[in-house]
Amino acid sequence: DAGVTQSPTHLIKTRGQHVTLRCSPISGHKSVSWYQQVLGQGPQFIFQYYEKEERGRGNFPDRFSARQFPNYSSELNVNALLLGDSALYLCASSLWGTSRETQYFGPGTRLLVL
Amino acid sequence: DAKTTQPNSMESNEEEPVHLPCNHSTISGTDYIHWYRQLPSQGPEYVIHGLTSNVNNRMASLAIAEDRKSSTLILHRATLRDAAVYYCILRDPTGLGEYGNKLVFGAGTILRVKS
Repeated sequence: DAGVTQSPTHLIKTRGQHVTLRCSPISGHKSVSWYQQVLGQGPQFIFQYYEKEERGRGNFPDRFSARQFPNYSSELNVNALLLGDSALYLCASSLWGTSRETQYFGPGTRLLVL
Repeated sequence: DAKTTQPNSMESNEEEPVHLPCNHSTISGTDYIHWYRQLPSQGPEYVIHGLTSNVNNRMASLAIAEDRKSSTLILHRATLRDAAVYYCILRDPTGLGEYGNKLVFGAGTILRVKS
C-alpha cells in the first residue's frame, strides 16, 4: 500500500514568490497535518485538516494557508516567501485526526528560498 | 515548547543495546508517552507508545518509571539502520490538553551507531 506522498520533493524559490506544496494521504485517511522542519530542529505544527475543515493552526503567519480537497489530499500555500521559510515541509495523515492515533508522515518537500 | 527533555546525542556500537532516556516531569495523568524516529532524508515514523506499563513491539521496548516522570526507549540490538533522530512526545488521548491533536516535537536525540 502506498504511504503518504508529497510533491515536489525539492523546490527552489526566490524571496517574495509564492509556493504550493501537495500531499496525498494514505488511502482511507481523512485527516492531514502539515509540519515545518527547519534544519537541526524538530518538526513544528502548521495546520491540521479533517474532512476539508481546519481543525488546528500553529503559530505561523497568515502567509501560510492550506486546504483539503474532497479526495482528502491537501495543499499548503506560502505567500511572499522569506529566507526563513527554507525548511523541510512534512505532511502527515491519520484516519480521524485524533491524538489517539499514530500519524504517518511523508518524506517531505525540501524548500530552499534564495 | 515540548514538555520532554532528551540528550542531544548518543552513540552506540552495532549489535549492542541502546537506552535512550526522556524526562517528562510535568506529565499529566492522562498523557501517553510516544516515541517517533526520523531516519535521514525521511519523515518521522512511529516507534512505540505507552501509559504506565512497560511496552514491547517488534521495533523496541519502552520502560516507564513508576512515577511516570521519565521513560527509556530500548533498542535491544542496534543496527546501522537505527541511526536516526529519536523524539519523545507526550500526547493527551482526549485531544483536549494543551497541544490538542498535534504532535509537539522537541529537538530529539541523535543516535549514531558505529560498526
